[in-house]
Amino acid sequence: AQSVTQLDSQVPVFEEAPVELRCNYSSSVSVYLFWYVQYPNQGLQLLLKYLSGSTLVESINGFEAEFNKSQTSFHLRKPSVHISDTAEYFCAGKAAGNKLTFGGGTRVLVKP
Amino acid sequence: DAGITQSPRHKVTETGTPVTLRCHQTENHRYMYWYRQDPGHGLRLIHYSYGVKDTDKGEVSDGYSVSRSKTEDFLLTLESATSSQTSVYFCAISDPGTEYNEQFFGPGTRLTVL
Repeated sequence: AQSVTQLDSQVPVFEEAPVELRCNYSSSVSVYLFWYVQYPNQGLQLLLKYLSGSTLVESINGFEAEFNKSQTSFHLRKPSVHISDTAEYFCAGKAAGNKLTFGGGTRVLVKP
Repeated sequence: DAGITQSPRHKVTETGTPVTLRCHQTENHRYMYWYRQDPGHGLRLIHYSYGVKDTDKGEVSDGYSVSRSKTEDFLLTLESATSSQTSVYFCAISDPGTEYNEQFFGPGTRLTVL
């Protein structure tokens, strides 16, 4: 079974500063990894996904995630955050039977 | 946005009463899922369905049942609600025919059991 761990429950950050959200996974089978974002009082939206190929995956709103097999990590980064990036971010990995296992979430609070 | 709606969006009920939550999709995706979201736990899978009348248990299925009589509808029932079932419930759908089979989520239902 695959488990996913998000190492930080909350990350305060100032506007225009960089942010990194850490995610580690454990699995001995194929790797499908995802990052989702949840804005206040909304459902989850897919931010980006990884299966194979380039280890750096980019999303349309400036986030990127790097897959690192040796460290079993899939950290999410953004070089310069905006107030609108305030949200909760979830890392997820696919387990058997097309089920997703989610990390506990990281709440990002962007301060002006 | 994926065409997923959940009803009701908010519900307050009393301990011991039955509650049914509905998820409706217009995407014709074969797989559907019910999750609950609680602080510090992320999302946890309650039940899922891989086709009409085909369902299976997730990691937190005790106290919940589901039914899927049509592709577009997936119902979650709490037979006798308890305070521990106060949570936000999310429905998700996915298409197993795609490479990633990524899941798309509905807007959620906030359930309070008094």
